[in-house]
Amino acid sequence: QVQLVQSGAEVQKPGSLVKVSCKASGYPFSSYAMHWVRQAPGQSFEWLGWINIANGNTKYSKRVQDRFTITRDSSASTVYMELSSLRFEETAVYYCVRDGGINTGPYWGQGTQVTVSS
Amino acid sequence: NFVVTQPHSVSESPGKTITISCTGSGGSIASNYVQWYQQRPGSVPATVIYEDDHRPSGVPDRFSGSVDSSSNSASLTISGLKTEDEAVYYCQSYHDNTWVFGGGTKLTVL
Repeated sequence: QVQLVQSGAEVQKPGSLVKVSCKASGYPFSSYAMHWVRQAPGQSFEWLGWINIANGNTKYSKRVQDRFTITRDSSASTVYMELSSLRFEETAVYYCVRDGGINTGPYWGQGTQVTVSS
Repeated sequence: NFVVTQPHSVSESPGKTITISCTGSGGSIASNYVQWYQQRPGSVPATVIYEDDHRPSGVPDRFSGSVDSSSNSASLTISGLKTEDEAVYYCQSYHDNTWVFGGGTKLTVL
């Protein structure tokens, strides 16, 4: 079965950088794109970007594109997101979400709490 | 900018049928697929409808989705409401190869 296992909670200071991983299993890793979205407390979801696993192409939200990077390590079936120059208001749960495929919808990781606090 | 708008909250009694709308503006919602996610308090979102009207395995057929191009909206219908359906439901569509989420609709089953 498809599993997306994310790294643990992070507490970071404003202006610093956070890196979150998402390890995939249960399907051919390079066959599906991976997205990152976040959810601030009590809010809806904000899409941050996605990566084409097969060729490494990425696309980012205009809001974060100067500070946000998605990479992948196909040998480890793992996708990473990195967000720099963190702001207080970026405290949120960050999710990796695998694209849907034939007969399936998108799959969500369990989420990683990122807290930006001084 | 393409935006999708949902009602903030809906409520209905057990056994009844509810429909949650997701209305597009700044673009055609029918031009791209719509997904619906269910999020119970403190839980990870779960896909209940994908590609407008498809249900993942394990999702009861009480859940159905549709798109109406004339009103530029998508709908999630839940029939035979159960208390376990109480959750926030989010629609998600696409624009310029990005994902666009609605603000979420809190469903109360009372």
